[in-house]
Amino acid sequence: GGIITQTPKFLIGQEGQKLTLKCQQNFNHDTMYWYRQDSGKGLRLIYYSITENDLQKGDLSEGYDASREKKSSFSLTVTSAQKNEMAVFLCASSTTGNAEQFFGPGTRLTVL
Amino acid sequence: GEQVEQRPPHLSVPEGDSAVIICTYTDSATAYFYWYKQEPGAGLQLLMSVFSNVDRKEEQGLTVLLNKKDKQLSLNLTAAHPGDSAVYFCAVSASGGSNYKLTFGKGTLLTVTP
Repeated sequence: GGIITQTPKFLIGQEGQKLTLKCQQNFNHDTMYWYRQDSGKGLRLIYYSITENDLQKGDLSEGYDASREKKSSFSLTVTSAQKNEMAVFLCASSTTGNAEQFFGPGTRLTVL
Repeated sequence: GEQVEQRPPHLSVPEGDSAVIICTYTDSATAYFYWYKQEPGAGLQLLMSVFSNVDRKEEQGLTVLLNKKDKQLSLNLTAAHPGDSAVYFCAVSASGGSNYKLTFGKGTLLTVTP
């Protein structure tokens, strides 16, 4: 088995601030994902990465940057936090070419 | 692109009753089907995965039915108990090179009352 760790669990920022969320996995999975979860809207894909240093845009990438520093870690940056961005951000990982994804516990973002 | 409709958005059942959640998808190339459970403050926990060559799968009180003709996927919790109270999501993916991407339903909040 493995685990996905997301830090921080709660993130409070000011409007316009640049904020970074981090994700680590020890499954040795190649592919990692960042999703945004808004109440009543399901999950929407922001970025994914199929290998170290790879980045692929999802459906909601505008306003975000991502970085796959190494196989086990994937960071997401909110480039300029907005109040309508308050949501839970979920990180996930999977083996190559396998849609079965395993999720971390999430980071809840609040923008003041 | 793929769209997934999930219903109902809210479901309340007494303990011991069954609960059924249904998802309808649009892309006939969809080949991978998943059900996830999310408890408050937690990430998504994979409950069951089904490939398109399976019509029915049962595991530990859960039954997944896949009707490819109607493009419908359902999750049946038999004899639900309060510990089953959570939000449930279906997710689907096409076969081939783009199967990294899951399309999720909007979720069903299940409440099981003692």
